[in-house]
Amino acid sequence: QLQLVESGGDVVQPGRSLRLSCVGSGITFRSSVMNWVRQAPGKGLEWVAGISIDGGNKYYADFVRGRFIISRDNSKDTLYLEMNSLRVEETAVYYCARNRPGYTYGGPFDYWGQGTLVTVSS
Amino acid sequence: EIVMTQSPATLSVSPGERATLSCRASQNVNTNVAWYQQKPGQVPRLLIYGASTWATGIPARFSGSGSGTDFTLTISSLQSEDFAIYYCQQYSKWPLTFGGGTKVEIK
Repeated sequence: QLQLVESGGDVVQPGRSLRLSCVGSGITFRSSVMNWVRQAPGKGLEWVAGISIDGGNKYYADFVRGRFIISRDNSKDTLYLEMNSLRVEETAVYYCARNRPGYTYGGPFDYWGQGTLVTVSS
Repeated sequence: EIVMTQSPATLSVSPGERATLSCRASQNVNTNVAWYQQKPGQVPRLLIYGASTWATGIPARFSGSGSGTDFTLTISSLQSEDFAIYYCQQYSKWPLTFGGGTKVEIK
C-alpha cells in the first residue's frame, strides 16, 4: 500500500517553532521529489516547499522563505518541515505530496498524505 | 511568481450536463499544468497532468486541454461524485502555484 503519513501538527503560539514529519511507505520515496502543501480552513491549496531527490536543492514559496526549512532523510524515508516564526495566518492542514515519478524538477503530485493540522494561536 | 487564475469561482451544473472550467497562467507555462479534485474532508486527487494526460484511474469523462497560458478542464457528463472543488497547478517554474479553485455544485 502506497502511503504518506504526516505527524507533528500541534497548537503553537505566534512566533514559535514546530517541526513536521512525513514518512513514506510502499512508495519510491528515495527517488521522488517531495513537497509540502498547506490548506487553511475553508481555503485553497498553497504550495509551501519542495526538495530534490538527494536533498541538495530546496525550493520555497516567497511567504515562507527564510522561516521554513525543508529537509529529508532518505535512510528513514522521511520528509521534514521546520517552521519558525509562525504566524496566526499559517494555521492550516499541512500535506506532504510526492512528485509523479519522472518529474525531477517541478511536477504534478500523485500521492498525498492525509495531512497534519497546525494551529497558530495565542 | 506565476499566478494561476481560475474561473468561474462557482459553477452550478445539473447531473448529466457538461462542465467547463478555466485556468489562466500569468505567463507561459507550456503544458506544465495539472488539475486536482478535492471533495469535502478529503485529500486532493490528481486528475490530469501535462495539461491533457489522464492520471491513473481517472474516468474518460474528464479531459484537459490547453497550452501556454490558457487551460481548460472539461467534465463531459457530470456524475453525482464529481461535485467538488477543482484546482489547477503550474509546475513550470518555482515557486509552484495553484489556482484559487472552482467549486462545481449541483444546480
